[in-house]
Amino acid sequence: DAKTTQPNSMESNEEEPVHLPCNHSTISGTDYIHWYRQLPSQGPEYVIHGLTSNVNNRMASLAIAEDRKSSTLILHRATLRDAAVYYCILRDRGGGADGLTFGKGTHLIIQP
Amino acid sequence: GAVVSQHPSRVICKSGTSVKIECRSLDFQATTMFWYRQFPKQSLMLMATSNEGSKATYEQGVEKDKFLINHASLTLSTLTVTSAHPEDSSFYICSARDGQRYSNQPQHFGDGTRLSIL
Repeated sequence: DAKTTQPNSMESNEEEPVHLPCNHSTISGTDYIHWYRQLPSQGPEYVIHGLTSNVNNRMASLAIAEDRKSSTLILHRATLRDAAVYYCILRDRGGGADGLTFGKGTHLIIQP
Repeated sequence: GAVVSQHPSRVICKSGTSVKIECRSLDFQATTMFWYRQFPKQSLMLMATSNEGSKATYEQGVEKDKFLINHASLTLSTLTVTSAHPEDSSFYICSARDGQRYSNQPQHFGDGTRLSIL
């Protein structure tokens, strides 16, 4: 799997937008960009994924750079419940039968 | 939808005991399930891939005789930690992929099992 690079930690205030960056300069044309998050003492939770176009769902938005070498997960209005470790993972289009390779992720701290 | 249930959530037992952890997909069929392990302050590490009706595939460095995996149905996979020792204490997490959907669907994770060996 191609490698991703994320900041170790980020801090934001409650009710403000959060932009979590991810660099993936060696991404291949068939790699999807997936985001998961892990709340304390829980299993990971799927957040969003995309290939080329920006994506929106009820949890977040995913902005993908035109050259696809980076992406940004956007939480539009952070709450204390969004405090978690966020993982950016690349998955090949045909890699559904493969397990996920988790990096260290970004530890998001939300201040009240 | 897409709920994965993992049981038990916590186990504390003596060294030498074998411990079984169950992972169930509640509202979808999972032809493939995955088992991960997470040590404190570290990220998840894939241990093995469990395929319904066939033998599991283990990652390098994971002892298949110590971590027995059974995937007897499309909704249940079990991980048995045999003769557990204190170094096996960890957070074990399963995930499942909806086999009816196209391959790049997300994985759905259980809430994990915290195993503590005394």
